[in-house]
Amino acid sequence: GENVEQHPSTLSVQEGDSAVIKCTYSDSASNYFPWYKQELGKRPQLIIDIRSNVGEKKDQRIAVTLNKTAKHFSLHITETQPEDSAVYFCAASILTGGGNKLTFGTGTQLKVEL
Amino acid sequence: NAGVTQTPKFQVLKTGQSMTLQCAQDMNHEYMSWYRQDPGMGLRLIHYSVGAGITDQGEVPNGYNVSRSTTEDFPLRLLSAAPSQTSVYFCASSYSRGRKATTFGSGTRLTVV
Repeated sequence: GENVEQHPSTLSVQEGDSAVIKCTYSDSASNYFPWYKQELGKRPQLIIDIRSNVGEKKDQRIAVTLNKTAKHFSLHITETQPEDSAVYFCAASILTGGGNKLTFGTGTQLKVEL
Repeated sequence: NAGVTQTPKFQVLKTGQSMTLQCAQDMNHEYMSWYRQDPGMGLRLIHYSVGAGITDQGEVPNGYNVSRSTTEDFPLRLLSAAPSQTSVYFCASSYSRGRKATTFGSGTRLTVV
């Protein structure tokens, strides 16, 4: 089955700096890559997603890039703010008509320091 | 539109007890799933369903049962609780076609003593 590795496990940046989180996946058939943000004690919430027919997607300060050949994708957060502090999870799945089985990375604890 | 609703939010069980975690969604999503979240291990898929009457196993199904009698409800049953099942459980749902964004419930924190 699919295996997703995520690095780093913890990341500390100064407010205003950029943060980059990287993930690799094993199954070349995976074609959907969402990123989730989870604040302490809360549910994971989708912040951005990308499909394999797109190399990059941006939404304000957040962007995701995908390299299908190398089987890795990354989350980029620019101009970080204290409210960006949370755990971020990447995931991969093979979209089919039957659903969306997500395989998650182990998470990155991002801390934005003042 | 409540989204995905999970109950209870917290539960303490004794080893060997059984219980059912409830999950309901009001978004008419075909696909529903259960994940468990343990420190340092991300979220792992327990069971999933692509529609009423259809269920299948995920990555860590042992010790859990599910059923899907309606589109809205997807309960998770712990047959005989063990300390290894201490975890936070999330129910999630999404459409099977079109936009695939998955919505999570607020979670159930389960402790087995």
